[in-house]
Amino acid sequence: GQNIDQPTEMTATEGAIVQINCTYQTSGFNGLFWYQQHAGEAPTFLSYNVLDGLEEKGRFSSFLSRSKGYSYLLLKELQMKDSASYLCAVSNSNYQLIWGAGTKLIIKP
Amino acid sequence: GAVVSQHPSRVICKSGTSVKIECRSLDFQATTMFWYRQFPKQSLMLMATSNEGSKATYEQGVEKDKFLINHASLTLSTLTVTSAHPEDSSFYICSARGMDREFLEYFGPGTRLTVL
Repeated sequence: GQNIDQPTEMTATEGAIVQINCTYQTSGFNGLFWYQQHAGEAPTFLSYNVLDGLEEKGRFSSFLSRSKGYSYLLLKELQMKDSASYLCAVSNSNYQLIWGAGTKLIIKP
Repeated sequence: GAVVSQHPSRVICKSGTSVKIECRSLDFQATTMFWYRQFPKQSLMLMATSNEGSKATYEQGVEKDKFLINHASLTLSTLTVTSAHPEDSSFYICSARGMDREFLEYFGPGTRLTVL
């Protein structure tokens, strides 16, 4: 079967750094996505990794290791507005997105 | 660029009625559109994939006669929930892929459906 695993919930402090992990098992691989979703809103695109390594985009970075079936999203200088759910999704051999259940990130002052 | 709109954003209806949700790609042509459903505190669940001019492909467990999808043009797809029941209450989200960045899905803002 295909599945995406990520922690259900994480808590971090404003100004700190947090790493959200995602492991996956899918039929084929055509890239891994991270989306941010605030409560009651649709997901917004954060990052896309298809090759191994780290992609940096401002305060957010995403890492991929295809051999390990592993990715992480790194958020630096956390702000209160970063409180949201972070969804990991993998595009499989049919270019269908397989979604994780999401990690709810709680930022405390 | 790459804006997807949905209408309505929120709808409340009586049990037994039908509800139509529109999904439009505003500034690009969407070769493929997707319809998702999301229940509270759960992840996105893909309902169906639609390509312009062809029948939608439904995921296992999704009733195609209940959730009618029409992808009439490269910028418009509609989802009709027929004979809605309270258990159909959910957050329905569409997404679209364009021709230039085919690997990326752009999401609409979602439609909150409440069936009384």
